[in-house]
Amino acid sequence: GENVEQHPSTLSVQEGDSAVIKCTYSDSASNYFPWYKQELGKRPQLIIDIRSNVGEKKDQRIAVTLNKTAKHFSLHITETQPEDSAVYFCAAIYNDYKLSFGAGTTVTVRA
Amino acid sequence: NAGVTQTPKFRILKIGQSMTLQCTQDMNHNYMYWYRQDPGMGLKLIYYSVGAGITDKGEVPNGYNVSRSTTEDFPLRLELAAPSQTSVYFCASSYLGQDQPQHFGDGTRLSIL
Repeated sequence: GENVEQHPSTLSVQEGDSAVIKCTYSDSASNYFPWYKQELGKRPQLIIDIRSNVGEKKDQRIAVTLNKTAKHFSLHITETQPEDSAVYFCAAIYNDYKLSFGAGTTVTVRA
Repeated sequence: NAGVTQTPKFRILKIGQSMTLQCTQDMNHNYMYWYRQDPGMGLKLIYYSVGAGITDKGEVPNGYNVSRSTTEDFPLRLELAAPSQTSVYFCASSYLGQDQPQHFGDGTRLSIL
């Protein structure tokens, strides 16, 4: 199956600063890369996704970039706010419809 | 439209007991999945189904069984519960086809004592 590595495992940022989370994957056939946000005790919720025919996608303060040659993708959160504090998971699809998840990044936004 | 509904939300089992975690979705999704999430970890795929009557193993299937008799329901069965199965279990579903977002239920927090 797919192997997805995610860094860093924890990230503390000052409110208003940017946060960047990076992931690498192993299966060159992967073509779909979603990002999930999970608040404490809640379900993972999709916040943004990117497909392999696109290099970058943006949705308000959140952006994702993909480098297929290097097999890595990143999540960028700008102008961080306290409500951005959560665990973020990257994932990559393999065998057409199964997702392999990274281990997660705990983001803390300091007021 | 409730999305993906899981029951129960919490459960404590004794070692060796059995139970079924229920999952139902009302979005007419073909694909359904069961994951487990251990503390501080990502999600690991236990079993998945691409449609009624079709199931297959994921990364960590040992100790679990599933069935898919309808499009809506995808129960997960634990036989002979062991402490290593203490985890949070999430059910998810997605539309047919690749690169479709998965929608998750609220999870079942299971403790084996």
